[in-house]
Amino acid sequence: KNQVEQSPQSLIILEGKNCTLQCNYTVSPFSNLRWYKQDTGRGPVSLTIMTFSENTKSNGRYTATLDADTKQSSLHITASQLSDSASYICVVSKNTGGFKTIFGAGTRLFVKA
Amino acid sequence: DTEVTQTPKHLVMGMTNKKSLKCEQHMGHRAMYWYKQKAKKPPELMFVYSYEKLSINESVPSRFSPECPNSSLLNLHLHALQPEDSALYLCASSQSSGGRVDTQYFGPGTRLTVL
Repeated sequence: KNQVEQSPQSLIILEGKNCTLQCNYTVSPFSNLRWYKQDTGRGPVSLTIMTFSENTKSNGRYTATLDADTKQSSLHITASQLSDSASYICVVSKNTGGFKTIFGAGTRLFVKA
Repeated sequence: DTEVTQTPKHLVMGMTNKKSLKCEQHMGHRAMYWYKQKAKKPPELMFVYSYEKLSINESVPSRFSPECPNSSLLNLHLHALQPEDSALYLCASSQSSGGRVDTQYFGPGTRLTVL
């Protein structure tokens, strides 16, 4: 069964601290994995996209890793800011020649002053 | 221009009303999508248009009717909705829908409330 599981469900950290969000998937055959940031009531915004051959990709203070063998990905946020408070969604696409994208349930991050 | 716009931002309608949601992109993308998102849940795919043709309908009830008038516009016509249809409706676009390495660009969404 094609699934994307994210952990933790929610996380509270202090401003300036680092944190790591996890994404495990069973989607096959794998095409790509994306991390999105979604502010409450807004549309998701793409942070990173990685294919099978990519292990790490950075976007400013966001660094995503991918281990295609263990089917795990992580999103590391460095020096968190209040504006990082949002939901972070892991999305995995199947490579079937047609469109199939599976969304994780997301991790809700709260950054406190 | 990497923006997807959606109108209206908020919509309140009765169960007997007919309304439409609109989505527009000018990035030259050939795939456009409608998603429904309930609170604290991930987006759920409703429809996919590829080159202005409906390619995927995820068993959405007929009270939701999509339309793609041209490559830049996507509409979602609403009729006889139920209160449980209240949600954030997101539009997205991407270069293609063929499973390639494409980023989907999302609009800000329309917050729909059905009374």
